[in-house]
Amino acid sequence: DAKTTQPPSMDCAEGRAANLPCNHSTISGNEYVYWYRQIHSQGPQYIIHGLKNNETNEMASLIITEDRKSSTLILPHATLRDTAVYYCIVMNTGFQKLVFGTGTRLLVSP
Amino acid sequence: DGGITQSPKYLFRKEGQNVTLSCEQNLNHDAMYWYRQDPGQGLRLIYYSQIVNDFQKGDIAEGYSVSREKKESFPLTVTSAQKNPTAFYLCASSIGSGGETQYFGPGTRLLVL
Repeated sequence: DAKTTQPPSMDCAEGRAANLPCNHSTISGNEYVYWYRQIHSQGPQYIIHGLKNNETNEMASLIITEDRKSSTLILPHATLRDTAVYYCIVMNTGFQKLVFGTGTRLLVSP
Repeated sequence: DGGITQSPKYLFRKEGQNVTLSCEQNLNHDAMYWYRQDPGQGLRLIYYSQIVNDFQKGDIAEGYSVSREKKESFPLTVTSAQKNPTAFYLCASSIGSGGETQYFGPGTRLLVL
């Protein structure tokens, strides 16, 4: 019962913005949208999360649609080191185990 | 420089041997977690601890044991009862266990000889 849907792969040129979409049409009112990424053979890295407002930090921006049924992670100037699998997750408050779906494999090329 | 450390990076286990994976954090987080990741697959929760001297089983606790004697440390022992231990083991921590962001260590890859 996947809560999120992401494209399996995307390509991006180095220096360009990478826009990674995520559909979460069954999200409930108290569920947050989280983004993590995992570079090959490394531990997952937290990127950003949000509830309904757009969020920005030093790594990325998160744009959540007004109906909260989808979101987009934006890496404004992708570098080769951003090549990784990106996971979009929805979680509510209270104890949560992290469940990663298949994610989007982003390949940044020179 | 705060963070989560795991050691060793690679670990080899012989048949019938127990091995212990280390996880240390200096983030002053109350909650700590152990996950297992198999090739091309997602995370599965082994054990978690919400506070010192307390821990609970996750979805795949059989063949594993943990302790939480100090806030900073949450070691995982893979016992001989775990028949398929080859995997990537990830430790994580969060401020509390009420849905806060989980931060991960670099992982330990366990291989069976």
